[in-house]
This record gives sequence, structure tokens and C-alpha cells, in this order.
Amino acid sequence: AQTVTQSQPEMSVQEAETVTLSCTYDTSESDYYLFWYKQPPSRQMILVIRQEAYKQQNATENRFSVNFQKAAKSFSLKISDSQLGDAAMYFCAYRISNFGNEKLTFGTGTRLTIIP
Amino acid sequence: DTGVSQDPRHKITKRGQNVTFRCDPISEHNRLYWYRQTLGQGPEFLTYFQNEAQLEKSRLLSDRFSAERPKGSFSTLEIQRTEQGDSAMYLCASAARGTEAFFGQGTRLTVV
Repeated sequence: AQTVTQSQPEMSVQEAETVTLSCTYDTSESDYYLFWYKQPPSRQMILVIRQEAYKQQNATENRFSVNFQKAAKSFSLKISDSQLGDAAMYFCAYRISNFGNEKLTFGTGTRLTIIP
Repeated sequence: DTGVSQDPRHKITKRGQNVTFRCDPISEHNRLYWYRQTLGQGPEFLTYFQNEAQLEKSRLLSDRFSAERPKGSFSTLEIQRTEQGDSAMYLCASAARGTEAFFGQGTRLTVV
């Protein structure tokens, strides 16, 4: 069974600084996707960034980038120039690549606090 | 609003009562998922529909839980004889084939 582990229950960062959230996963599949989702308080979960396992290049989306280490099964999220609106729970998630049930397996989340 | 819509947002019920939640997915999405999220945890998969067919159910989905998606549009999740352990956020997500999942705001259930 696939598992996703986030070992940092809480993180904090000064506004405008950079923070890295960690995620490791376990799978026997070779083709899969990894995601970071953001869940602000009382609001819906939204996709921050996604990485296809077959791509060697790390995904980036504006201030958000990932460090994908396939051999180490590591997938960290770097947030640059942190903003107050980045405060939220961040979940790392995994799914296999197929066109059937594309269910997500989530980690337990990291609560990110931005210090003004 | 063309996102995933869930109703109600909050539900408080007495133990032993039945409750039903509704999810309206994004209209062109044929895949629909239900997840359960308890405090301090990530969402856990409950069940999956492709169009009107329920193709997978998690072992978390006891026989007190039933989900439907008539005509492949909206979906309902019913919990019979609710227990305090059912208290959680119930999330619905929809997706088109090969695309990312879009989540609704969830229904927070409190069983007292």
C-alpha cells in the first residue's frame, strides 16, 4: 500500500522568507503523480503544485517549487517570499497514473504559520 | 460559481440519527470522490464514482454508509445510525479523466 509521510506537524516562517515543507512517500509503482494541496482555515483544499514521476525536472509555480528525489522517495515544497496568505495546512498527496480510480493518498499535513 | 458545491456546510445530529450530504461536482467532470477528514489528519478516501457507477469503496465505508450518484450528476452520502466516531469533515472532489481533482468546501458533521 502507498503511504505518504509528513514529519513536520507545524512550521513557521517570517514574512518574505523562504520555508521548506518535507514529504516522503512509499510506493512500488514507477509511474505516479505527487501533489501539494493547501487548505486554508474553513476553506476548500486547492492544488498548489503537481509533479509527474517520469519528469526529472522539478515543477515550479511562481513562488512555489518542489525538490523531487525519486530514488529517495522525497518530495519537498519550497515557498519563497512567504506571504500572510500562505498560512494554511499543507498536504502532500500521491496517486498512481492510470485512467481509472485516481484517488489520492494524503499525508497528515503541516500547519504553516506566517509571522508578520 | 462553477466549482464543487457541498450541502450542508455544517450538520449537528444526535447519535443514532440518519444524515445525508449532497455534492454537486463540476458539470463536465465524470469522476467523483468522497473523502473523510478527521481533526489533525489528512483526507482519507471513502468511495469513487465514474459517471453513475460506484467503482470502489474503502473498507472505511461501513455498511452504515451508502453513496449514490444517480444519472452521473450530483452525489449523496448517507450515514445511518450515526455514531460519535462519524464526526468529521466529509469532502467531495470531482475530476475529468487525467486531470487534477477539485475539492468542495466540505460538510462538517458533529454527532452529539
